[in-house]
Amino acid sequence: LAKTTQPISMDSYEGQEVNITCSHNNIATNDYITWYQQFPSQGPRFIIQGYKTKVTNEVASLFIPADRKSSTLSLPRVSLSDTAVYYCLVGDIGTGGFKTIFGAGTRLFVKA
Amino acid sequence: DAGVTQSPTHLIKTRGQHVTLRCSPISGHKSVSWYQQVLGQGPQFIFQYYEKEERGRGNFPDRFSARQFPNYSSELNVNALLLGDSALYLCASSFGMTGDYGYTFGSGTRLTVV
Repeated sequence: LAKTTQPISMDSYEGQEVNITCSHNNIATNDYITWYQQFPSQGPRFIIQGYKTKVTNEVASLFIPADRKSSTLSLPRVSLSDTAVYYCLVGDIGTGGFKTIFGAGTRLFVKA
Repeated sequence: DAGVTQSPTHLIKTRGQHVTLRCSPISGHKSVSWYQQVLGQGPQFIFQYYEKEERGRGNFPDRFSARQFPNYSSELNVNALLLGDSALYLCASSFGMTGDYGYTFGSGTRLTVV
């Protein structure tokens, strides 16, 4: 069964780059890695998705090594509004069919 | 375009009662997944439906059931409610089954069991 592991919390200051790493040792061969942001009492919001190497969009970058056993979400120049919980998500195919596995989440606190 | 809509937004039920939660996916999305999120924890996968068939089931008791309708909307049913069922229930839709283009989440239904 796929499992993801992330740091429980991280602190940063405005304007800094933040890197959050998720380990997913049993990721399925064909599965994508997706990162989400969640604010209190809201549903998770899609940030970025990748399969291997590096992906960049207007808000983040995602680095995935060749073995795909981990991934790193990079948030450039964070602001106070980036204070949230960040989750990595992978899929898993096994008993019970296809499942999506969230990590426990990383609470990022951005200070002024 | 409307995003994923869930109803109701909040609900209070008594132990032993039954509850039905509803989800309307984004237009064109054929997959709906349900998650339970207890305060302070990550979302836990309950079910996934794709093209009106159950494609995945998480480690939840048989009191939890779901279905997907021809218009791809979905219902999550929970019978014999327990205090521990109190949580935020999230619905997510995607175009395909494996979320190759990501999942879009609704704002959730906050269920309180008293």
